[in-house]
Amino acid sequence: AQTVTQSQPEMSVQEAETVTLSCTYDTSENNYYLFWYKQPPSRQMILVIRQEAYKQQNATENRFSVNFQKAAKSFSLKISDSQLGDTAMYFCAFMTRQGAQKLVFGQGTRLTINP
Amino acid sequence: GAGVSQSPSNKVTEKGKDVELRCDPISGHTALYWYRQSLGQGLEFLIYFQGNSAPDKSGLPSDRFSAERTGGSVSTLTIQRTQQEDSAVYLCASSLDPGNTIYFGEGSWLTVV
Repeated sequence: AQTVTQSQPEMSVQEAETVTLSCTYDTSENNYYLFWYKQPPSRQMILVIRQEAYKQQNATENRFSVNFQKAAKSFSLKISDSQLGDTAMYFCAFMTRQGAQKLVFGQGTRLTINP
Repeated sequence: GAGVSQSPSNKVTEKGKDVELRCDPISGHTALYWYRQSLGQGLEFLIYFQGNSAPDKSGLPSDRFSAERTGGSVSTLTIQRTQQEDSAVYLCASSLDPGNTIYFGEGSWLTVV
């Protein structure tokens, strides 16, 4: 079974700083997807970024980028020029490409951006 | 619809009562998922539908939990004889087909007193 581990329960940075959230996972598969989701106080889970394991290039979405290290099974999220609206819970998630394709989530990192 | 819609958004029920939670996925999405999120915790997978069939029910915590999906669209999660440990946010999600991006609703917050 796949597992996802987020080792940082909470993080706090000042506005405009860069912050990196860690995520590691365990799988025996070679093809899969990885995601970062953001959950603000409104509870809505919002997709931040998606990475396909067969792609070497790290995904980027504006201020959000990932460092995908397949051999190390590591998938960290970097937020540049952090903004107050980035304050939220961040969840790393894994999805297999075989069988029932459900998301397996980590326990989350609570990120606070301070003014 | 524009997004995944869930109802009710909040529900308080007495221990031992049955509750039904409804999910209306994004139009045309064939895959539908239910997750549970307890206070301060991550998301726990409950069940996955592809069309009207449920190939993966492995996450349902007990036989008090059941779910159905009709017409390949709306899904209902039913919890019978609710217990206090059932208190959580129940999140529904859908995707165009398996492997595509999964979009979440805002959840139904269930409190069992």
